[in-house]
Amino acid sequence: GENVEQHPSTLSVQEGDSAVIKCTYSDSASNYFPWYKQELGKRPQLIIDIRSNVGEKKDQRIAVTLNKTAKHFSLHITETQPEDSAVYFCAATSYNTDKLIFGTGTRLQVFP
Amino acid sequence: NAGVTQTPKFQVLKTGQSMTLQCAQDMNHEYMSWYRQDPGMGLRLIHYSVGAGITDQGEVPNGYNVSRSTTEDFPLRLLSAAPSQTSVYFCASSPRGAEGGHEQYFGPGTRLTVT
Repeated sequence: GENVEQHPSTLSVQEGDSAVIKCTYSDSASNYFPWYKQELGKRPQLIIDIRSNVGEKKDQRIAVTLNKTAKHFSLHITETQPEDSAVYFCAATSYNTDKLIFGTGTRLQVFP
Repeated sequence: NAGVTQTPKFQVLKTGQSMTLQCAQDMNHEYMSWYRQDPGMGLRLIHYSVGAGITDQGEVPNGYNVSRSTTEDFPLRLLSAAPSQTSVYFCASSPRGAEGGHEQYFGPGTRLTVT
């Protein structure tokens, strides 16, 4: 089955700096890669996703890149703000399964 | 719409007790799933359902049962609670199965402690 590894587990940045979180997946059939943000005590919420037919997707300060050959994808946050502080999860699923498998999460802290 | 609702919000059980975590959605979503969240381990899939009458196992199904008699409801049953089942449980739903690549809408979670 699918296995998703996520690094780093914690990440501290200064406000205004960029943050990058990386994930690798094991199933070469995986074709959908969402990213979820979870604020303290709240439920996870989708912030951006990418499909396997696209190499990069941007939404304001957030971008996701996908390298199918290497089987990894990354979340990029530019001009970080204190409200970006949260736990971020990557996930992956393939066209032949209904299982959405998550990574172990990255706790991002943005210091003012 | 209320979205995805879960009850109770908090629960304390003794080892060996049974209970059912409730999950309901009012978005007419076909796909529903249960995850548990433990520190350092992310969100792990317990069971999922692609429609009424259809359920399947996720990554960590042992000790849990589910059923899906209606589109709206997807209860999770713990038959004999163990301390290893202490966790935060999230229910989620989406318009179609995960293979279609759809956003998962999560409920607020249930924090369960087993002593």
